[in-house]
Amino acid sequence: DTGVSQNPRHKITKRGQNVTFRCDPISEHNRLYWYRQTLGQGPEFLTYFQNEAQLEKSRLLSDRFSAERPKGSFSTLEIQRTEQGDSAMYLCASSLAGRRGGVGEQYFGPGTRLTVT
Amino acid sequence: AQSVTQLDSQVPVFEEAPVELRCNYSSSVSVYLFWYVQYPNQGLQLLLKYLSGSTLVKGINGFEAEFNKSQTSFHLRKPSVHISDTAEYFCAVTPFTGGGNKLTFGTGTQLKVEL
Repeated sequence: DTGVSQNPRHKITKRGQNVTFRCDPISEHNRLYWYRQTLGQGPEFLTYFQNEAQLEKSRLLSDRFSAERPKGSFSTLEIQRTEQGDSAMYLCASSLAGRRGGVGEQYFGPGTRLTVT
Repeated sequence: AQSVTQLDSQVPVFEEAPVELRCNYSSSVSVYLFWYVQYPNQGLQLLLKYLSGSTLVKGINGFEAEFNKSQTSFHLRKPSVHISDTAEYFCAVTPFTGGGNKLTFGTGTQLKVEL
């Protein structure tokens, strides 16, 4: 178990550029979540996948944001035409959801810190 | 919808003293409750969780929390803190059913342990 990994750890970009982040979950986990954390705030939910299906998107996820999990393994989060307000820590988490429901513990990655200049 | 309120943004405490970090929540449905810790430049680590059963929950690093349904609270406590406990602590909830177990977090409490 190598844990959840995220790349890059830091990204500095100019306003208007596109950026893409990657998340590699724990291998047997079927759920993958993206959260955004701004300075002085707790993480806020953006979207989640069960296997390769994107099941929910927050209204925080504007049209400039897109997330994929093509083979039910790693996931990417892309932000197009970045704005200064997109500067934040982007956290990925994964969990194992059982067929009978219940709550699977979410394991978090170290995050990708985005700075838009 | 759920919301979580952490009343104290910062809590300074001396080493070996007890500490309590407060968390209150609001929800129209039953929820599971969690405390996470975040060290600088790291992701979140689960400290403890309340799913059902005994309202007193013990977690890692000597932390415990008590679920109080009537007061909708889930305060975190440690009888004697160490310098290494300095970190940001987040309370979070997720509903029993629906929503894919997405977490709703509070704004966090910065615990600063001083010598």
